[in-house]
Amino acid sequence: NAGVTQTPKFRILKIGQSMTLQCTQDMNHNYMYWYRQDPGMGLKLIYYSVGAGITDKGEVPNGYNVSRSTTEDFPLRLELAAPSQTSVYFCASSKPGLAGKETQYFGPGTRLLVL
Amino acid sequence: DAKTTQPPSMDCAEGRAANLPCNHSTISGNEYVYWYRQIHSQGPQYIIHGLKNNETNEMASLIITEDRKSSTLILPHATLRDTAVYYCIAKGAQKLVFGQGTRLTINP
Repeated sequence: NAGVTQTPKFRILKIGQSMTLQCTQDMNHNYMYWYRQDPGMGLKLIYYSVGAGITDKGEVPNGYNVSRSTTEDFPLRLELAAPSQTSVYFCASSKPGLAGKETQYFGPGTRLLVL
Repeated sequence: DAKTTQPPSMDCAEGRAANLPCNHSTISGNEYVYWYRQIHSQGPQYIIHGLKNNETNEMASLIITEDRKSSTLILPHATLRDTAVYYCIAKGAQKLVFGQGTRLTINP
């Protein structure tokens, strides 16, 4: 299994541009997540999904959109890039377990710079 | 989810046991204690988790106090590759809440 894969690895955007960060997992996990990590900080949850067709907001959803049309894919969309969105973005997945008991597997991250 | 408190940084000599403490005094009965680590800009990596009992796997041991208000992650024979930021998380619902963790440096 490849696990969780993310593309691209690095991207530079101009203010106002849009882009989609791709995330795919081959572990047949129902749950998927998007986090961002600013320099020297912990991860913050942007959006998550508990299954195809179901998404929900996390802690910092403003400026982002997601969709979940398949179990495998969970793309993150930036519509109007802003410098505040400069960050490293991590995608993760997990399978449902007893409440609280599920382990998340993370992708390698996408480093985004907005100038 | 309960908040956790960890020291911002720790050092350990290579080959020695690294003991990373975590306080979670407000943890509720159904919340698990999870440990993840992040090695230099990579995605976080799961290490271990537990509810009440001590746990051990191929990576580490987790010691949880009887009152569950604190725990210790033990890396029994630390290597240079264990240098990372270690996150202790008390988790009940689906969402993980990452604090700033402990930056562990293993010295040769």
